[in-house]
Amino acid sequence: GENVEQHPSTLSVQEGDSAVIKCTYSDSASNYFPWYKQELGKRPQLIIDIRSNVGEKKDQRIAVTLNKTAKHFSLHITETQPEDSAVYFCAAPYSGAGSYQLTFGKGTKLSVIP
Amino acid sequence: EAQVTQNPRYLITVTGKKLTVTCSQNMNHEYMSWYRQDPGLGLRQIYYSMNVEVTDKGDVPEGYKVSRKEKRNFPLILESPSPNQTSLYFCASSSGIEQYFGPGTRLTVT
Repeated sequence: GENVEQHPSTLSVQEGDSAVIKCTYSDSASNYFPWYKQELGKRPQLIIDIRSNVGEKKDQRIAVTLNKTAKHFSLHITETQPEDSAVYFCAAPYSGAGSYQLTFGKGTKLSVIP
Repeated sequence: EAQVTQNPRYLITVTGKKLTVTCSQNMNHEYMSWYRQDPGLGLRQIYYSMNVEVTDKGDVPEGYKVSRKEKRNFPLILESPSPNQTSLYFCASSSGIEQYFGPGTRLTVT
């Protein structure tokens, strides 16, 4: 199956600074890479995803980049705000599976300091 | 409103007492799954189902059972709960693109 490594496990940034979270995956056949945000006491929710036919995708202050050769993808949050404080999970699909069969990273707890 | 629901949201039980956590979705999704979330370990898949009567083990299936008799429901069964099953449990459903998570069930086994 897929193996997903996520770093760092915790990240503290000053409000307004950028935050970057990185993930590596093992299966070169993986073609879909979502990021989920989990606020304290809430359920994980999809915030952005990328497919293997593009190298970067942006949605306002968040972006995801993908390097298929190196088998890693990253979440970038610019101009961080206190409401960005949460746990972020990356994921990648099991080999041969559709995007619904996912392996998740262990999560990154992001703290944005006002 | 499209949603995934779980019940109960909180449960404290004792070792060995069988319990069921229900999960229901109203989006007509074929795929449903159960995860457990533990500090430092992220989300680990317990079981998943590709459709009615089709279920398979995830990464941590020991001590759990599931059934999928109807498309909308995917209950998680703990026949003989043990303290190491104390965790936060999430049900999720998907049409193949985005996974929608339920609100979670916090289970404590004493």
